[in-house]
Amino acid sequence: QVQLQESGPGLVKTSETLSLTCSVSGASIGTTYWSWIRQPPGKELEWIGSIYDTGSTRYNPSLKSRVSISVDTSKNQFSLKLKSVTAADTAIYYCARDLNEIFDHWGQGTLVTVSS
Amino acid sequence: SSDLTQDPAVSVALGQTVRITCQGDSLRRYYGSWYQKKPGQAPLLVIYGKNNRPSGIPDRFSGSSSGDTTSLTITGAQAEDEADYYCSTRDSNGYVFGTGTKVTVL
Repeated sequence: QVQLQESGPGLVKTSETLSLTCSVSGASIGTTYWSWIRQPPGKELEWIGSIYDTGSTRYNPSLKSRVSISVDTSKNQFSLKLKSVTAADTAIYYCARDLNEIFDHWGQGTLVTVSS
Repeated sequence: SSDLTQDPAVSVALGQTVRITCQGDSLRRYYGSWYQKKPGQAPLLVIYGKNNRPSGIPDRFSGSSSGDTTSLTITGAQAEDEADYYCSTRDSNGYVFGTGTKVTVL
């Protein structure tokens, strides 16, 4: 049974860097893509970016200048960094398994609030 | 803002059928998928590809597509189907989600 779990600070100060980690169990982080997706309060889902176990990445163009996704195959984890955050980055952040067009398993999500 | 457009809200009587649509240019090239989102829960994949359901998804959920539009149909809606539904597909940069449709079961 594939399970994903996000972890990281729930509060980040304006202009600082948001950092989250997704721990994967029940599946090897190799052989497929893994993604970060977020949902601001009252808004739609937004794809942030994806990473393959080789380190190949693709990012949402609207966030590309501020986003970095990395993978640690030894720990079966992948991570998100979003720099220079503002209140607009307040959202529930989800990690998900990306089977190249579908997201079939998701973490429960973690709320990150950006505040001064 | 999303490149996939959905009606904001629809309602359906218990046991009746409801169809939700999603429109966007990327759907002319790629299949769409559908996610059910309930408050406080992670999104749940309900339909993908031409008309495929993941294991555990009831067969009252079905999908179809034509041109730039993909649709999700719930045949015999149940109270537990009340949720937000989002479509998604690939685009030239990665992925995009729809604006979401709130389904209310009366």
